[in-house]
Amino acid sequence: QKEVEQDPGPLSVPEGAIVSLNCTYSNSAFQYFMWYRQYSRKGPELLMYTYSSGNKEDGRFTAQVDKSSKYISLFIRDSQPSDSATYLCAMTQRRVTGGGNKLTFGTGTQLKVEL
Amino acid sequence: DSGVTQTPKHLITATGQRVTLRCSPRSGDLSVYWYQQSLDQGLQFLIQYYNGEERAKGNILERFSAQQFPDLHSELNLSSLELGDSALYFCASSDPSGRNTYNEQFFGPGTRLTVL
Repeated sequence: QKEVEQDPGPLSVPEGAIVSLNCTYSNSAFQYFMWYRQYSRKGPELLMYTYSSGNKEDGRFTAQVDKSSKYISLFIRDSQPSDSATYLCAMTQRRVTGGGNKLTFGTGTQLKVEL
Repeated sequence: DSGVTQTPKHLITATGQRVTLRCSPRSGDLSVYWYQQSLDQGLQFLIQYYNGEERAKGNILERFSAQQFPDLHSELNLSSLELGDSALYFCASSDPSGRNTYNEQFFGPGTRLTVL
């Protein structure tokens, strides 16, 4: 069983829809939770990160973490065609001063927002 | 543009061959991470270097090795290549100095390796 599970999609929605992307994980040591966006043939770029449980909002994006259920979500409001990309959840354990920490990724969900 | 550069962008080679992938981290970043992205496995951590020293290892095959040089650029060496090594290889860098709350990793554009 993988440490992080993510539905690969593809997910197709009409422009303006609310999109919900989710990941589950098994390692309770994870404390930092991230969402990366990856356009075709590009490197992943960080969208949002949250520490421990709770919600975080940034413009049209909201990240939720429920550590008790080992479940994280990303919501995209008023989705746009430019949001079409692969969304990867990622997690890491506590920050290690002087070294950083490896990321454990989900397999990614491919999203297409259609006009 | 993340500030992380990787060369080459594409690499096509034959089974049994050896290749070297190069990464230049963002200016000032001391940590370099290598990841492999394949269709079936997703993005997987291979190895991390911090200021020239190996810091962590993931699912890196023995045929693969890496190093980080004094100027902080890093190279990933893949040898005795097999068809299954065909993938995207990403380098990421971070500044783990403690200035940021979270050591965000900035990813390069990747090198696409095709083994024929």
